[in-house]
Amino acid sequence: DAGITQSPRHKVTETGTPVTLRCHQTENHRYMYWYRQDPGHGLRLIHYSYGVKDTDKGEVSDGYSVSRSKTEDFLLTLESATSSQTSVYFCAISERQGNGYTFGSGTRLTVV
Amino acid sequence: SQKIEQNSEALNIQEGKTATLTCNYTNYSPAYLQWYRQDPGRGPVFLLLIRENEKEKRKERLKVTFDTTLKQSLFHITASQPADSATYLCAPGPGSQGNLIFGKGTKLSVKP
Repeated sequence: DAGITQSPRHKVTETGTPVTLRCHQTENHRYMYWYRQDPGHGLRLIHYSYGVKDTDKGEVSDGYSVSRSKTEDFLLTLESATSSQTSVYFCAISERQGNGYTFGSGTRLTVV
Repeated sequence: SQKIEQNSEALNIQEGKTATLTCNYTNYSPAYLQWYRQDPGRGPVFLLLIRENEKEKRKERLKVTFDTTLKQSLFHITASQPADSATYLCAPGPGSQGNLIFGKGTKLSVKP
């Protein structure tokens, strides 16, 4: 997707290990979001950022932390991965609240 | 709590017909509502935004309505084509944290 990239695209990790997912944007947008998408649940907000070093929790934030040290990068860390965190993770950006979101291509994470 | 219902998990229609997807929301009054398209293995793509003071919005073969009395949005695709087959997500906003809240989606299949 233009202007936003997620890495890695796929990852398999073991239970109990820390994992960091990266979202990088070239659009200079203020807002960045991390969602997870699971069958039967749709997209659920994990954390979001409204500026450098400004972050807040979403509805499913337990077990996750984020950091945003630069406008272009938003990192999602699973402190100690569990099987319930097996999911597809999407990063999204928006210029201002109320604007449409641009989503990345997603990271498929499997915790074994 | 805020609740979004897209009342069909799947919708099958014949090519050339009009597809109508429904999004209902409860327990809040969104200022706007967005619609997204998601293809398998990809992130959602923003299609249209309609604000609470707008009854209808059009973009090419797409039409969205927003009825704040019924708490409902309808999404129409006229002259549907097999290439329109995808999952469509509605997302009213802002949620309690200023973000979008996504419905679980309706999977549309357009048969030739």
